Amino acid sequence: DAGVIQSPRHEVTEMGQEVTLRCKPISGHDYLFWYRQTMMRGLELLIYFNNNVPIDDSGMPEDRFSAKMPNASFSTLKIQPSEPRDSAVYFCASNGGSTDTQYFGPGTRLTVL
Amino acid sequence: QKEVEQDPGPLSVPEGAIVSLNCTYSNSAFQYFMWYRQYSRKGPELLMYTYSSGNKEDGRFTAQVDKSSKYISLFIRDSQPSDSATYLCAMKKDYQKVTFGTGTKLQVIP
Repeated sequence: DAGVIQSPRHEVTEMGQEVTLRCKPISGHDYLFWYRQTMMRGLELLIYFNNNVPIDDSGMPEDRFSAKMPNASFSTLKIQPSEPRDSAVYFCASNGGSTDTQYFGPGTRLTVL
Repeated sequence: QKEVEQDPGPLSVPEGAIVSLNCTYSNSAFQYFMWYRQYSRKGPELLMYTYSSGNKEDGRFTAQVDKSSKYISLFIRDSQPSDSATYLCAMKKDYQKVTFGTGTKLQVIP
């Protein structure tokens, strides 16, 4: 398996623009997680899905952030409008099947100018 | 107060040294404890996973959990330059939500 796939790997945008991050989980995994990592706050869970249904979105910072999982092989995290304080590395992770180990993607490095 | 506290380092050691990485936590409901390793510009990868108090060994790595003190440790024996990375402690209750420490950056100098 190719592992968790994220795109784009890098994104540079201007304040106020819409940003969409994409994730393809490992096939067969029924849990999908979105995290944000910064130097100051470390790795923070934003939201997670089980069988495409959002289970816990308490980590989503505010209404500017939204996440969807239209099917088992695709999820998006959208920021609209983006702000400089959203600059961070965003990770997607998945688990499921016979293991509850979370497998992380390579991350998307977002810079909002 | 954060639920999980971890010294950010950086920690610099000579090759072959024994490394000790530590985390403390405040929530006694945490039952599962993990250590992740994260290389620069990569995603975290699971290194060790423990449930009960005590020690778990895997090659050069030993994870230690002391639930009474709310303290977990990771020991690396015979450290190698390839061990240079950020080490994240992590823990969870009985469901999927994992809480991570902020990570300790380790550099092993040849």
